Amino acid sequence: KAGVTQTPRYLIKTRGQQVTLSCSPISGHRSVSWYQQTPGQGLQFLFEYFSETQRNKGNFPGRFSGRQFSNSRSEMNVSTLELGDSALYLCASSLVLTGGAEQYFGPGTRLTVT
Amino acid sequence: GENVEQHPSTLSVQEGDSAVIKCTYSDSASNYFPWYKQELGKGPQLIIDIRSNVGEKKDQRIAVTLNKTAKHFSLHITETQPEDSAVYFCAASGNAGNMLTFGGGTRLMVKP
Repeated sequence: KAGVTQTPRYLIKTRGQQVTLSCSPISGHRSVSWYQQTPGQGLQFLFEYFSETQRNKGNFPGRFSGRQFSNSRSEMNVSTLELGDSALYLCASSLVLTGGAEQYFGPGTRLTVT
Repeated sequence: GENVEQHPSTLSVQEGDSAVIKCTYSDSASNYFPWYKQELGKGPQLIIDIRSNVGEKKDQRIAVTLNKTAKHFSLHITETQPEDSAVYFCAASGNAGNMLTFGGGTRLMVKP
């Protein structure tokens, strides 16, 4: 079974631009979560989707948004990019949305903002 | 909210030795504790997990223990090998969906 896939793998953007990242979960998984990983802040939860609805949101500004499609694929968008948005963005998928569901991560999208 | 502390931040061992990484959590409602291994250029890989109704779990050379009273859990790797070298993360999750709160990570170096 294929794992979680994320596209693109690398991205370079300029301050003020916006970016859209894509995630395809493991086949049959219906829950998708997004995390930001930086050397300074570590791994931080962004948001979580299940059945096309955002179920949980982390402590990030409104410039960070996401959505999930009927096939469980998810996208996240960051508008008005700032230098501090440079990070590895990780997507994780789970079979269900219950506390304690195993989550499997994709390889991430490395975003560099210049 | 939940806060997870992880120690040590770096750990260097000789091949064949054991390695222990410890984490503490703050929210008594947390009931799921996974461990992830992240190699350079890759996403975190789930290596073992434990739920709050279990005190210990083993899978070949790795084991995890959980002390709910003290709110801490540990990862034990025995007979370490150079391929165990990576960054290891502990995490905690409660009943609010699948949201994970991660520890700061431990860079494990296994010297041949």
